[in-house]
Amino acid sequence: DTGVSQNPRHKITKRGQNVTFRCDPISEHNRLYWYRQTLGQGPEFLTYFQNEAQLEKSRLLSDRFSAERPKGSFSTLEIQRTEQGDSAMYLCASSSFGQNTEAFFGQGTRLTVV
Amino acid sequence: EDKVVQSPLSLVVHEGDTVTLNCSYEVTNFRSLLWYKQEKKAPTFLFMLTSSGIEKKSGRLSSILDKKELSSILNITATQTGDSAIYLCAVYQGGSEKLVFGKGTKLTVNP
Repeated sequence: DTGVSQNPRHKITKRGQNVTFRCDPISEHNRLYWYRQTLGQGPEFLTYFQNEAQLEKSRLLSDRFSAERPKGSFSTLEIQRTEQGDSAMYLCASSSFGQNTEAFFGQGTRLTVV
Repeated sequence: EDKVVQSPLSLVVHEGDTVTLNCSYEVTNFRSLLWYKQEKKAPTFLFMLTSSGIEKKSGRLSSILDKKELSSILNITATQTGDSAIYLCAVYQGGSEKLVFGKGTKLTVNP
């Protein structure tokens, strides 16, 4: 499978715990994005990497959220001190370089904070 | 604030019907508009539109952009139960690589 891969697919955690998600983009894509989607809403942009550089971050991204892409390949999204409001689907997408290129999404990680 | 509005939010039709989904946008420095289909988890790419008036077509699906009206439509002819999904519209704006999504239209096709 050469699509965008995300792990884990589901995560249940207790409030206050830290969680980390992983995204493996399509291998030749140098752009990687994280989005968050809640029920009844479209995906909301969180952050974007070009190679290993984090070039954009949403104002939605509180200081409890951090993302990395250390070698310009896979990326991790960590949420510290989780809150119930963090419960959502976290989607990763990747695209090739260019002005208008389609982003391809992974299956997402469903986070439930109890 | 940049926004993308889709209508209707939900739609129920019978197999064989033709449907038209609407998307309007207000973004600074519009670059392109994308349509995605979301069945269970991952949104899957359908179309990217950058030029006004040029129809993109794939099988029973087609889409067109109207930059004057700041809108796009997605048409599905001869609907099938497999077309049941949420259809998302998203826009790229100049100077940013983020997609701004609408809430989606939930389409249900009954046999």
